[in-house]
Amino acid sequence: DAGVIQSPRHEVTEMGQEVTLRCKPISGHNSLFWYRQTMMRGLELLIYFNNNVPIDDSGMPEDRFSAKMPNASFSTLKIQPSEPRDSAVYFCASTISHTDTQYFGPGTRLTVL
Amino acid sequence: QQQVKQSPQSLIVQKGGISIINCAYENTAFDYFPWYQQFPGKGPALLIAIRPDVSEKKEGRFTISFNKSAKQFSLHIMDSQPGDSATYFCAAITGANNLFFGTGTRLTVIP
Repeated sequence: DAGVIQSPRHEVTEMGQEVTLRCKPISGHNSLFWYRQTMMRGLELLIYFNNNVPIDDSGMPEDRFSAKMPNASFSTLKIQPSEPRDSAVYFCASTISHTDTQYFGPGTRLTVL
Repeated sequence: QQQVKQSPQSLIVQKGGISIINCAYENTAFDYFPWYQQFPGKGPALLIAIRPDVSEKKEGRFTISFNKSAKQFSLHIMDSQPGDSATYFCAAITGANNLFFGTGTRLTVIP
């Protein structure tokens, strides 16, 4: 049984470039979450979707960040243009609505030079 | 504003000892308190969780103690093993499934 799948696992890009992170939630899960993890700020919730609809994007740091969930099996987090301070590990997690356990993917380590 | 405060930031324990990590919260709307374990290069994984109507929950060597009146909860790892070396995050969830993490505790168990 596959868990949450994220790609790429590592991304190195230059400042100003567009970055797209991808996530495939566990089949049957209705809620999907994007988190960012840094040493300074720990784990931060960026946005979450329920049934493909964005519910809370108050954690998205600024307009350079956008997230989409076109269907139940795929979500993207896009940063355009990227900046060095965006360097972090980005996690995607999914859960069945109305249950409490979030299952995390392995993360994407983003480095913006 | 940190919704969940966690301490200590790092912890070193001898093999066989007891590891204790503490967390505190203010928001009484939290109704579920999970602990996550994260190994380097991996995503957080649910370790054990408790609801506020229970004062203690034990799963193997891992125990959560919950003090609702004090708004505090803690993770106890009995007979700590080197394989327990990881970063531990407490968290709290509201009914809307908003998950707030503590800042993490890096546990090192010395053989």
